[in-house]
Order: sequence, then structure tokens, then C-alpha cells
Amino acid sequence: EVQLVESGGGLVQPGGSLRLSCAASGFTFSSYAMSWVRQVPGKGLEWVSTISGSGGSTYYAESVKGRFAISRDNSENTLYLQMNSLRAEDTAIYYCAKDVREQLVLGYFDYWGQGTLVTVSS
Amino acid sequence: QSALTQPASVSGSPGQSITISCTGTSSDVGGYNYVSWYQQHPGKAPKLMIYDVSKRPSGVSNRFSGSKSGYTASLTISGLQAEDEADYYCSSYAGSSTWVFGGGTKLTVL
Repeated sequence: EVQLVESGGGLVQPGGSLRLSCAASGFTFSSYAMSWVRQVPGKGLEWVSTISGSGGSTYYAESVKGRFAISRDNSENTLYLQMNSLRAEDTAIYYCAKDVREQLVLGYFDYWGQGTLVTVSS
Repeated sequence: QSALTQPASVSGSPGQSITISCTGTSSDVGGYNYVSWYQQHPGKAPKLMIYDVSKRPSGVSNRFSGSKSGYTASLTISGLQAEDEADYYCSSYAGSSTWVFGGGTKLTVL
């Protein structure tokens, strides 16, 4: 059974940093691209970042480029999102999500974690 | 990367069919056949319902179908059921390895 479990969310001051983790199980982690998608509570979804299965390619939304860094440890089956220079508008639930097909970066997410809430406030 | 445009809400009675539209531009929906749809119940993670404009993942009911014409993609739900009541989001590839979601549509089953 595929499972994605996020952790690392919490309250952080504007300008601060936070690192999110997503522990994956139930599939060959290194074969699939992984992504982070966020959602302001009560609002819509926003794609944040994607990383290829090998970790060699990374992609970012303009809203986070230069501030966030996605990475993965395929030996530990874990996805990360390092978030720096955080702003109030980064406040959201952050979901990790698995791409639907092996070896491709399609941006179709067939499994999602339960999400972790990040609150940026003084 | 502006969000794709969806109606804020749609409604229908059990057994009826409804269609949710998702309008973009030539840089996203109109430029690629890489549109997907997600269903999200309150307090839950999204669920993939349609990908590649009209394909259904294994396990998704054939009451759900997708299509696209020009800059607008559509999700149709036939034989509406109470459990279909949820928020629905479209998503499209937007070029340069980026993706964009729609603002979401709340479906109410009357």
C-alpha cells in the first residue's frame, strides 16, 4: 500500500526557514517523480515544486523560485522541501504527491499525503 | 502562472449530469493535452479522477469523463450521486516544466 507521510510543518516567523519531509513507502520511490502542492485552508491548490526520480531535475513555481529547494534521498525513501525567506503568503497546507507513471515527469498525482500545515506569522 | 478559471460552484440533483469547465490560455490548456482533474472531499487529500484530458485511473467510476476544446477543458459527471459532492480542481501543464491548477469548483448534490 502506497503511503506518504509529511512532517515538519509548524509556526515560523516571516523571513524564517523550515524543512518539510515526506516519508514514502509501498512503491519503488526512486522510480517516480515527486512533487509538493500547497493549499491555503479553504482555498485552491497551487503546484509548488517537482523533482525527478533520480533527483537530477527540479522544477519550481515562480512564486517560490529562489526561496524553496526540493530534494530527495532515495536511500531513505524521503522527499524534502527546504523553505527559506518565508512570507505570510506561504501559509498553507503542504502536500507531497507521487507522479502517476514511472520514469516520467507528468504532473499527474495519483497518491497524496495527508498534508502538513505551515503558518508564517509573527 | 495565473490559475485556470473554473466556476465557483455547480449543482445538480441525483441522477442528473453536470459539467465543470476549466478555461486557460494558449500557454496551458490550449497548448497541451495534459489536463487532469482532482476531487477533494472536506479535510481530505485530493484524488486523481482524470488525466491526459480524458483518461481515468484504475478504480475511478466511468461516470466521470473529461474532454477539451480549444482553451477549455471539461469534466462531466453523469448519474450524479450524493458522494460526488466535493470540490473539483483542474490542472494543466503550463510549459517549461511547470503546472497550474484551477481555482476549484464546489459541487453540490441537491
